[in-house]
Amino acid sequence: DTAVSQTPKYLVTQMGNDKSIKCEQNLGHDTMYWYKQDSKKFLKIMFSYNNKELIINETVPNRFSPKSPDKAHLNLHINSLELGDSAVYFCASSQEVIGDAFFGQGTRLTVV
Amino acid sequence: DAKTTQPTSMDCAEGRAANLPCNHSTISGNEYVYWYRQIHSQGPQYIIHGLKNNETNEMASLIITEDRKSSTLILPHATLRDTAVYYCIVRDTGTYKYIFGTGTRLKVLA
Repeated sequence: DTAVSQTPKYLVTQMGNDKSIKCEQNLGHDTMYWYKQDSKKFLKIMFSYNNKELIINETVPNRFSPKSPDKAHLNLHINSLELGDSAVYFCASSQEVIGDAFFGQGTRLTVV
Repeated sequence: DAKTTQPTSMDCAEGRAANLPCNHSTISGNEYVYWYRQIHSQGPQYIIHGLKNNETNEMASLIITEDRKSSTLILPHATLRDTAVYYCIVRDTGTYKYIFGTGTRLKVLA
């Protein structure tokens, strides 16, 4: 079983569209994250949720809205997609503050 | 900003030990050193972490200097599958986030 799974794996869409990426973890972890990896391969944290509560929001444009319906899920909805949103988005989870994080396989978003 | 400095790239012969250095001269007392790697475009994979003492697990060993200003990740017998970007991260126990730097691109050569 995949510990952290993201869907879809690939997403190609036009500018201006709204899209969602889903993430689920079956590890029983309390904390989940979204990271963005751009074309230069820099990995940057976007959001973190602990027990369904938002604890980190790294000045991400408000077109990006995370939603955590329960501890096992953290979805990312993006409105009015722009070319600069093209990147690989990684979901991750960890059990404790110092716990190691498990990452999903990523969603490659391409905005055309 | 990342609090670590790593060489941009390194090569290692297959079967030999790969020693990846990391400088973290501004590390504070409650910050751990973590190592992750990213193989091609897969999700980052946890390798090991430590606070003061040296640590070893089935994947690697972590050697932290006594002053904690630098550390070395050791892959004892590198294989071609260890070719990846290796990230050294300093993380405060009070924060939930990992701040990734640019990492070291390790190439294991046959």
